[in-house]
Amino acid sequence: DAGVIQSPRHEVTEMGQEVTLRCKLISGHNSLFWYRQTMMRGLELLIYFNNNVPIDDSGMPEDRFSAKMPNASFSTLKIQPSEPRDSAVYFCASSLGADSNQPQHFGDGTRLSIL
Amino acid sequence: AQKVTQAQTEISVVEKEDVTLDCVYETRDTTYYLFWYKQPPSGELVFLIRRNSFDEQNEISGRYSWNFQKSTSSFNFTITASQVVDSAVYFCALRQPGTGNQFYFGTGTSLTVIP
Repeated sequence: DAGVIQSPRHEVTEMGQEVTLRCKLISGHNSLFWYRQTMMRGLELLIYFNNNVPIDDSGMPEDRFSAKMPNASFSTLKIQPSEPRDSAVYFCASSLGADSNQPQHFGDGTRLSIL
Repeated sequence: AQKVTQAQTEISVVEKEDVTLDCVYETRDTTYYLFWYKQPPSGELVFLIRRNSFDEQNEISGRYSWNFQKSTSSFNFTITASQVVDSAVYFCALRQPGTGNQFYFGTGTSLTVIP
């Protein structure tokens, strides 16, 4: 079975450019989480969705960040304009159902470098 | 308030030693779920185990064992006869129905097993 698929795996771009990170959920999963991981701040939850609806976006650092679920199996995280401090590994995770007993399954992450 | 505390930032052990990673959580819910994840040097986050709040039975899986104690709000993870491949960052996490199914991750414990 395919796991959570993230693309691209690596992204290097210059500051000011728009960055789009993509995530495909595991089939049947309906909760979607975006995390950011840095050495300084560890693993931070940015936003999560249940059934395509954003439930909590309090972790989104600024208006430059936006996330969408255009359909039940796919999500994007956009940064516009990007800044060097946005450099991090971005993880997407999905879980089955709205029950709290379900673990999250993570993608391999996107390593983002903003020059 | 920090819901999941992993007080040990870094641990180093010599191969074949046993090692315990501590996790203390905070919740007012009577129903909640605890998880452990492993992040090896390759960077992916791997789900290890889930525990329900109403099941305090300890679990063993090969060299891994987990000790869940509600009285002390702890969910500790022990690796017996550690191996170099166990070197990773280990995260403890809490999920509770009362928070819309959000995950709360600890800051992680970096384990280095020295050959």
